[in-house]
Amino acid sequence: DAKTTQPTSMDCAEGRAANLPCNHSTISGNEYVYWYRQIHSQGPQYIIHGLKNNETNEMASLIITEDRKSSTLILPHATLRDTAVYYCIVRVPDSWGKLQFGAGTQVVVTP
Amino acid sequence: GAVVSQHPSRVICKSGTSVKIECRSLDFQATTMFWYRQFPKKSLMLMATSNEGSKATYEQGVEKDKFLINHASLTLSTLTVTSAHPEDSSFYICSARYLAGRMGTDTQYFGPGTRLTVL
Repeated sequence: DAKTTQPTSMDCAEGRAANLPCNHSTISGNEYVYWYRQIHSQGPQYIIHGLKNNETNEMASLIITEDRKSSTLILPHATLRDTAVYYCIVRVPDSWGKLQFGAGTQVVVTP
Repeated sequence: GAVVSQHPSRVICKSGTSVKIECRSLDFQATTMFWYRQFPKKSLMLMATSNEGSKATYEQGVEKDKFLINHASLTLSTLTVTSAHPEDSSFYICSARYLAGRMGTDTQYFGPGTRLTVL
């Protein structure tokens, strides 16, 4: 799977948009970008995923650059409950579907 | 939808005993489930891939005789930590693979985790 690079930590003000970057410069054409988050002492929560088009759901938006070498997860209106470690994962939709987690970005939303 | 449960949420046991952790997909069938381990302030480490009706596939460095995995049905996978020792103390998390649609929405949903403490 392509390696991803994320900032170690980010702070965000409550009510503002949080933009979380992810670099995946070695991504292949059939590799998807997945985003998960993990609130302290809980299992990871699926947020969103995409291949090349931008995606939006009730939780967030995913913006993938045209060359697919980077992406941004956008939380439109951050709340204190969005404080978590956010993981950007690139994987091939193979028969196994394995996910390999990196270090992620610790996002702290402050009042 | 897409809920995964784990039981127990927390377990404390004595060194040398075996502990079984259950992972269930509550509202979908999962032919593939995964087991992860997470140490404090570290990321998740994939331990094994569990496929219904077949033997699990373990990641490099994971002892298959110590971490027994059974995936007997499309909604249940179990992880048994045999002869547990203090170094096995960790946060164990399972996930279930959800496939839907002809184009195959392919997503993993995670359980809440099991905190294992071996004394």
